Amino acid sequence: DQQVKQNSPSLSVQEGRISILNCDYTNSMFDYFLWYKKYPAEGPTFLISISSIKDKNEDGRFTVFLNKSAKHLSLHIVPSQPGDSAVYFCALYNFNKFYFGSGTKLNVKP
Amino acid sequence: GAVVSQHPSWVICKSGTSVKIECRSLDFQATTMFWYRQFPKQSLMLMATSNEGSKATYEQGVEKDKFLINHASLTLSTLTVTSAHPEDSSFYICSASSVSQGIEKLFFGSGTQLSVL
Repeated sequence: DQQVKQNSPSLSVQEGRISILNCDYTNSMFDYFLWYKKYPAEGPTFLISISSIKDKNEDGRFTVFLNKSAKHLSLHIVPSQPGDSAVYFCALYNFNKFYFGSGTKLNVKP
Repeated sequence: GAVVSQHPSWVICKSGTSVKIECRSLDFQATTMFWYRQFPKQSLMLMATSNEGSKATYEQGVEKDKFLINHASLTLSTLTVTSAHPEDSSFYICSASSVSQGIEKLFFGSGTQLSVL
């Protein structure tokens, strides 16, 4: 039973526009929420995180939003750049365990 | 949906002992599995790529004799940390690759926290 879902396997965005990546979860007991970016043949790279006591965290072009009532996490990238093209995973952490979404492949077109 | 089971979730061992971590794909066949190491709130460092029925491919700087990987079936890969030392204490995560409708997806285990005393 998947506790974390990324329902969009792929997303295509024009350079300069906003990319919005979504993640839904079922268990409300998660402490910490993370986004990772992954290029082919590499391990996922940590991007940004947010704790359960916050609803927004911003770092440069990346902003993560947490809506606990809706059990929804999103990552906004603005402006999107071609180098952002990668697979993005959301990950939730609780009780010393990670739960990953299945990933969304982002393609930013020049 | 696809699920990857990783066991154990937590292990404490004495220095010099070996620890085996299992990674199973529960409802799909994974020809390729990956092993990562992670420190808190940091990137997952790819350690090795495991292909069913063949030798694992290790990333640069990862000792293949210390981190033994076996991928004997399409649903099971194991990582054995041999003669573990305190510096091997870390969080180890596996993932399995599945291709569905032409799209490759990665499914992750929940991780194993290894503490070496």
